Amino acid sequence: KNQVEQSPQSLIILEGKNCTLQCNYTVSPFSNLRWYKQDTGRGPVSLTIMTFSENTKSNGRYTATLDADTKQSSLHITASQLSDSASYICVVSRQAGTALIFGKGTTLSVSS
Amino acid sequence: DVKVTQSSRYLVKRTGEKVFLECVQDMDHENMFWYRQDPGLGLRLIYFSYDVKMKEKGDIPEGYSVSREKKERFSLILESASTNQTSMYLCASSPGQRNSPLHFGNGTRLTVT
Repeated sequence: KNQVEQSPQSLIILEGKNCTLQCNYTVSPFSNLRWYKQDTGRGPVSLTIMTFSENTKSNGRYTATLDADTKQSSLHITASQLSDSASYICVVSRQAGTALIFGKGTTLSVSS
Repeated sequence: DVKVTQSSRYLVKRTGEKVFLECVQDMDHENMFWYRQDPGLGLRLIYFSYDVKMKEKGDIPEGYSVSREKKERFSLILESASTNQTSMYLCASSPGQRNSPLHFGNGTRLTVT
């Protein structure tokens, strides 16, 4: 079954600290993996998209990694800010059609 | 910057009413999507469209229909609203290329009483 599992479900960190969010998937055949950030009351916004051949991609303080062999991805946030408080959603795309498999998200709270 | 605009942020409707949710994108994207987002369930695809007048069922199309008469506009229709359709509805668009990101609107929170 095509699934995307994210962990932890929620996370609280202090401002300025780093954190890593995890995404494991069983989607096949794999096309790409995406990370989205969703602020409360807003739609998701794309952070990164990685294909099979890419194992690291950065967007400012956000760095995503992909291990296609183990079917794992992580999103590392460096020097967290209050504005990083949001839900982070991992999405895996299958090669066939436009099928996107969404994870349930990790809710990150950054406190001062 | 791509803009995806959903006509209403909040909507309250009664059971049995016909409900229209409108979505407009300004980047000439081929693909448009309707999702619903519920706590603990994540985003689930209702319908999508590759082109004008074309539509495909997603994972949970029951109780919904869609219309795409113009490339920039994709409408979601609840023929007879029910309380289990209370949810956050998100519209998204993307260009035709496979590795292109989805661009989401800010959602419509629909409450059916």
